[in-house]
Amino acid sequence: ETGVTQTPRHLVMGMTNKKSLKCEQHLGHNAMYWYKQSAKKPLELMFVYNFKEQTENNSVPSRFSPECPNSSHLFLHLHTLQPEDSALYLCASSQDDGRAKETQYFGPGTRLLVL
Amino acid sequence: GDSVTQMEGPVTLSEEAFLTINCTYTATGYPSLFWYVQYPGEGLQLLLKATKADDKGSNKGFEATYRKETTSFHLEKGSVQVSDSAVYFCALTSGSARQLTFGSGTQLTVLP
Repeated sequence: ETGVTQTPRHLVMGMTNKKSLKCEQHLGHNAMYWYKQSAKKPLELMFVYNFKEQTENNSVPSRFSPECPNSSHLFLHLHTLQPEDSALYLCASSQDDGRAKETQYFGPGTRLLVL
Repeated sequence: GDSVTQMEGPVTLSEEAFLTINCTYTATGYPSLFWYVQYPGEGLQLLLKATKADDKGSNKGFEATYRKETTSFHLEKGSVQVSDSAVYFCALTSGSARQLTFGSGTQLTVLP
């Protein structure tokens, strides 16, 4: 699946570092999402953007800061993370036609390790 | 709220065995139902979906039927291959929420 790409694929960072995850979708969709996948836990939705506007923020700590400059790109800025933030971060996109049941397509994820 | 319950894994089968992974759900209204698959080291791929009652989704030999009366969407395949080894996630969207609600995932290992 090359419709949604994510970089980097792997990232190791210290708790005082600042880094950014990037997601790009080539499907012409208008909605983008960040999910967190931790070991032994269901996938957790973090943020939703629709037409570049953030529509959902599921009580995510402020050390995670999303940015959506256009409908094709989504960033997740990271700063002062904790070891428990180590996880696979997945980006997804969909075509939101207002019915809210559209299929979401996922990228390969960024495997993050916080030391 | 919405929820998805999948059978506990891991599931280990021999090649060519029959596969069933159970999935039941609780949701308001009429959800759309999905199965996603995650191969080792990769993101989630949509495997199949169904958007209304009695619909059958199918792909790559996998099938699942949307059963409203039993609120279920069980995944089946008649003859599994080693390449089917992966984690399978049942999920739904419902109402006005754009959020996918996922089950906890079922690890499948197919032995040659």
